[in-house]
Amino acid sequence: SQQGEEDPQALSIQEGENATMNCSYKTSINNLQWYRQNSGRGLVHLILIRSNEREKHSGRLRVTLDTSKKSSSLLITASRAADTASYFCATDEGYGQNFVFGPGTRLSVLP
Amino acid sequence: GAGVSQSPSNKVTEKGKDVELRCDPISGHTALYWYRQRLGQGLEFLIYFQGNSAPDKSGLPSDRFSAERTGESVSTLTIQRTQQEDSAVYLCASSLLGGLYGYTFGSGTRLTVV
Repeated sequence: SQQGEEDPQALSIQEGENATMNCSYKTSINNLQWYRQNSGRGLVHLILIRSNEREKHSGRLRVTLDTSKKSSSLLITASRAADTASYFCATDEGYGQNFVFGPGTRLSVLP
Repeated sequence: GAGVSQSPSNKVTEKGKDVELRCDPISGHTALYWYRQRLGQGLEFLIYFQGNSAPDKSGLPSDRFSAERTGESVSTLTIQRTQQEDSAVYLCASSLLGGLYGYTFGSGTRLTVV
């Protein structure tokens, strides 16, 4: 069953602007992760947020988690052309289980 | 090794042939996952190995698909009697502790069935 679902499906912004992507999920989770994928190949892990955390930062990335709304957001500040990629959220359905990925948001950062 | 290695990186096969895809996980990673990604779409879970436990095969789309893992090392994904709808990128990932520290993905195998 598909757990996370990203929104919007596609986002186009100018370099220097902030990009916000959202992820909604259906059932209770222990952890939620965000990944980036360039050129349709391997994914790169960006950040993991646990269900008892509300916000995490990593460089220009900020992730929030609202378990009451079953949603998460990924904010990329001061975007760069190199941030152009697809971004996926992934949620677990139980400890030690596989993470389920959403369909992703395609971000285009225009120079 | 330093990362997750997948081979081949590209595979073109004729419809009806069998193919075998290989994944070498990061040494020491107890968990290994296979995903399928069709063009422009998200990742579709196929199978999950965790240590010596029985694998979670719930994502395999048909009995033409099977996977094996030797201990905590190499895994092979086999697709028998390939169909055109099997065309996709097949991604392998490994992790510690069921992914609680994130997955490390390989670069994938792009399978094209003609």
